[in-house]
Parts: sequence; C-alpha cells; structure tokens
Amino acid sequence: GQQLNQSPQSMFIQEGEDVSMNCTSSSIFNTWLWYKQDPGEGPVLLIALYKAGELTSNGRLTAQFGITRKDSFLNISASIPSDVGIYFCAGRGGSNYKLTFGKGTLLTVNP
Amino acid sequence: EAGVVQSPRYKIIEKKQPVAFWCNPISGHNTLYWYLQNLGQGPELLIRYENEEAVDDSQLPKDRFSAERLKGVDSTLKIQPAELGDSAVYLCASSPGDYITDTQYFGPGTRLTVL
Repeated sequence: GQQLNQSPQSMFIQEGEDVSMNCTSSSIFNTWLWYKQDPGEGPVLLIALYKAGELTSNGRLTAQFGITRKDSFLNISASIPSDVGIYFCAGRGGSNYKLTFGKGTLLTVNP
Repeated sequence: EAGVVQSPRYKIIEKKQPVAFWCNPISGHNTLYWYLQNLGQGPELLIRYENEEAVDDSQLPKDRFSAERLKGVDSTLKIQPAELGDSAVYLCASSPGDYITDTQYFGPGTRLTVL
C-alpha cells in the first residue's frame, strides 16, 4: 500500500524561528493535505494542495506540492508558542478517495 | 456552525467488555468516516459511509468491530469484545460528499483505554 515518510519526527525551536517539515511518498499522489493536531483534539486542516508544483499560503504557513507528485513540504515562518502541536501530512492518489497519513512531526516552540 | 461531535471523550474498560462510540457529523455532510489513531501515528481509516451505506469497510476488523449509520446522519462504532490492543483514539470525520477534493472535518475523538 501507499506509505508516507514524514520528517523530522520532532522539532524543538525558539519562538520567532522558521520551521520546515516534509513528506515523501512511495507512489504518486494527486492531493496533499497538511493537518495540525492539538492534544486531545482531532486534526484540523491547514492547507490543501491539488496540483503538482502548487505553492499555497495560509498566513504564516506555506506548503508546496512537489513536481514529482511524490513529496510535499510545509514551512512555518516566525513561529509562535501556539504553533505547538503535531503536524500531519496526508496524501491521496489516483481515483482513490482514501487519505494516507504520515506519522506526524511534533513541534515544540520555546518562548 | 457546530463541528463533528463525538461521545464519550474518554472511556476506560476491562478487556472482553463491549464498548460503543457515537458520532454526529456536521449538518448536511453526507460522508462520514471512522478512523483509528494509535499513539505516535497518523489516523488510519476504518470505515467510510456515503449516507447510510458503508461503501468501504475493508479496513474494519469485522470479527469484533461493527458500525452503523441507520438514518444517514449520526453513527455508532462498536467493539465487542475489546482487547488490550484496541486502546487508541477513535476519530470520526465528515465531509460534504465530493471526497476527491473536499475537506474532511474531524471530531475531537474518543480515547479508549482497555485494561
């Protein structure tokens, strides 16, 4: 089946720093999604990407759909304490509706 | 607009006991999903409903898990009997229906602990 490798597994940064995380897939995806999950809550969609090469921003967040369609990255600029949480990438390939999730990146921001 | 509602939020049971989780999707959302999330992992799909029809239950362990969405609105996921390895967070999500491009909205989940 489809597998996603998400890295890094965890990050510990200072407030104000920029952050970058990425996902790679063993197969081609036609949709990449980035979610954030706070403790005790469900994942919340941050950015959706539907086209190879697409670069989309949502406030301080920017995500890109890799041109090979096998990878995506998420950048967070000028991090703040409320950015703390687990960030998941998720992908969908072909005509398959099913989302495959990465294992997540745990982000800790030190004030 | 209310989000996806799940109850209970937490459940602790002994192994071999039955347990049920309830989900009420966002109003008007035809598609409903149940996911399993183990610690340190992303969500994994268990079952997807289109209205009241289970259109994909291939990942549901049918020997002990069952689900229903009788009127095409709220849904129940049941485990009977529960095993130690079932301890996890069970997430419900819903979407308007165009599952290729639409957004799945997740509920807060039910954290199950099996002792």
